[in-house]
Amino acid sequence: IAGITQAPTSQILAAGRRMTLRCTQDMRHNAMYWYRQDLGLGLRLIHYSNTAGTTGKGEVPDGYSVSRANTDDFPLTLASAVPSQTSVYFCASSDSGDADEQFFGPGTRLTVL
Amino acid sequence: GQNIDQPTEMTATEGAIVQINCTYQTSGFNGLFWYQQHAGEAPTFLSYNVLDGLEEKGRFSSFLSRSKGYSYLLLKELQMKDSASYLCAVRDSNYQLIWGAGTKLIIKP
Repeated sequence: IAGITQAPTSQILAAGRRMTLRCTQDMRHNAMYWYRQDLGLGLRLIHYSNTAGTTGKGEVPDGYSVSRANTDDFPLTLASAVPSQTSVYFCASSDSGDADEQFFGPGTRLTVL
Repeated sequence: GQNIDQPTEMTATEGAIVQINCTYQTSGFNGLFWYQQHAGEAPTFLSYNVLDGLEEKGRFSSFLSRSKGYSYLLLKELQMKDSASYLCAVRDSNYQLIWGAGTKLIIKP
């Protein structure tokens, strides 16, 4: 692995289903982030983690949860998907919790029907 | 509220120079970033400004005026591969990035 990986690349999901988006980095970065990107809008922060064992809410956290059991992994869970969660989801990491240059994963395109 | 404004779309000619502007109103300021994002791909870091003035990096330069809440990204000797969206982001008082919607740059031969 080099950098950040995300899985799946894309997914079509029925409303009401539970879904976990996976994110793994091998750069030993302390901070990790989940964003969603919608057409015409800037990247919006969902949740973040400044270090393993801690998480925080971003601008649009409702309907999403995260965990940070170790440095490398930062999964994002949609407990009960709704159509408004249709979006492209990017995971990112940076070297510190001070939001230094962020490195992004390739993204997950999620469609909720 | 916090706000980052950029033009939605710009068009320029191969070999020319283009300036992409960004104005911001945020709760605190701890630096401004520019990222490039090709269609269907992830954003990649271009530049970072925290002090007023111009930062030059090859064909790309970024300028910041904190008193005016203003930045621009200058791209010289445009190449077709520069066709992409350019995202402006400001690090606020909570050290989180607030992102503009991006400027789609179209390069014509």
